[in-house]
Amino acid sequence: AQSVAQPEDQVNVAEGNPLTVKCTYSVSGNPYLFWYVQYPNRGLQFLLKYITGDNLVKGSYGFEAEFNKSQTSFHLKKPSALVSDSALYFCAVRDIPMNTGFQKLVFGTGTRLLVSP
Amino acid sequence: GAVVSQHPSWVICKSGTSVKIECRSLDFQATTMFWYRQFPKQSLMLMATSNEGSKATYEQGVEKDKFLINHASLTLSTLTVTSAHPEDSSFYICSARDPGGSYNSPLHFGNGTRLTVT
Repeated sequence: AQSVAQPEDQVNVAEGNPLTVKCTYSVSGNPYLFWYVQYPNRGLQFLLKYITGDNLVKGSYGFEAEFNKSQTSFHLKKPSALVSDSALYFCAVRDIPMNTGFQKLVFGTGTRLLVSP
Repeated sequence: GAVVSQHPSWVICKSGTSVKIECRSLDFQATTMFWYRQFPKQSLMLMATSNEGSKATYEQGVEKDKFLINHASLTLSTLTVTSAHPEDSSFYICSARDPGGSYNSPLHFGNGTRLTVT
């Protein structure tokens, strides 16, 4: 089965500094990777995805992610963090189990980003 | 853009009672919806895939008789937690695929339902 790992429970960064939220993946075949953000007591919002093409993917709210096949990583980045970026971030991978054929998203455990003023 | 509405936002019920959570796709039809459960330590677990007009596909370890899913129309899926117990207290989130999109299209999520069983 496909999976993603987010090694950091929390990332702290000062406003204006660059931020990185890490994600590594384990897949058979081509990876289809996603980043979502969750604000308190809310559902998830889509940020960006990697399917094919350029390794640097640009998404919503100034976020981008770099797909690195050799390191099996898909880290989320932003050049200059804002206090309002503080939220819970989830990396996800598409999985299609053989026994069902239904596509589903498998999420990482999430990383809490805290941006201090 | 596509909006998924989930109701209620929060609910408190007594142990042994049943609770129904609704997930509606506004302004678009969703043949497939997904129900997730989020545990206190952040992890998001897929419970089941809800398919309009057919039985839901449950993930391994999820009790079908406890978490009843009905997807009777193209815009509504419901999750009923039957005979709820305190351990069922959690944050439940539904989602639907971007309308007209491919399998790689992003999911649109409802705002979740906080269930507390006393």
